[in-house]
Amino acid sequence: GEDVEQSLFLSVREGDSSVINCTYTDSSSTYLYWYKQEPGAGLQLLTYIFSNMDMKQDQRLTVLLNKKDKHLSLRIADTQTGDSAIYFCAKGGSSNTGKLIFGQGTTLQVKP
Amino acid sequence: NAGVTQTPKFQVLKTGQSMTLQCAQDMNHEYMSWYRQDPGMGLRLIHYSVGAGITDQGEVPNGYNVSRSTTEDFPLRLLSAAPSQTSVYFCASSSRFRLVESSYNEQFFGPGTRLTVL
Repeated sequence: GEDVEQSLFLSVREGDSSVINCTYTDSSSTYLYWYKQEPGAGLQLLTYIFSNMDMKQDQRLTVLLNKKDKHLSLRIADTQTGDSAIYFCAKGGSSNTGKLIFGQGTTLQVKP
Repeated sequence: NAGVTQTPKFQVLKTGQSMTLQCAQDMNHEYMSWYRQDPGMGLRLIHYSVGAGITDQGEVPNGYNVSRSTTEDFPLRLLSAAPSQTSVYFCASSSRFRLVESSYNEQFFGPGTRLTVL
């Protein structure tokens, strides 16, 4: 079946770079997404990458896609305490339902 | 625009009680969905709808009912609450014309309802 896997926890110091990793089993989705969930809130789209791209940069965020290994990563440069949140990677489902398949979420803890 | 709104924010139920979680969006989105979020399990799709009058099951539909009488509203009903339904519930919406998996599909999420079943 379709599966998206993430590690559950990452702790970094303020000012360091954070790298959150995601692997998936089904490569049919054309878009892959990163969502951010702040404490007590819903999810918000942070960034996305089209599957014909290897890399996308958006200010402090860099998304890397390795299609061969089915591996997606999100790098946050100069991590700030405000970046503390849960980060979910997601991909479209294989059927035309609009369904998104989410990973388990990675909790990013930023220490001052 | 208010975006996606959900009520209530918090709810405590006793086993066997029923209730309805409300979800509304003002973006004229045809696609709406309900997820539940449990620790270490990410978001799992309960039910979804591709337009008024059309609903379908997601991966964890048992114990929940939905209906979609208008484009704006997509309520989720718990028929007979069980402790296993203790969770945070999120409603999301998206534009229908983006629904093919090859298309960009940003889903907009509500703030969530935290439900505890005793």
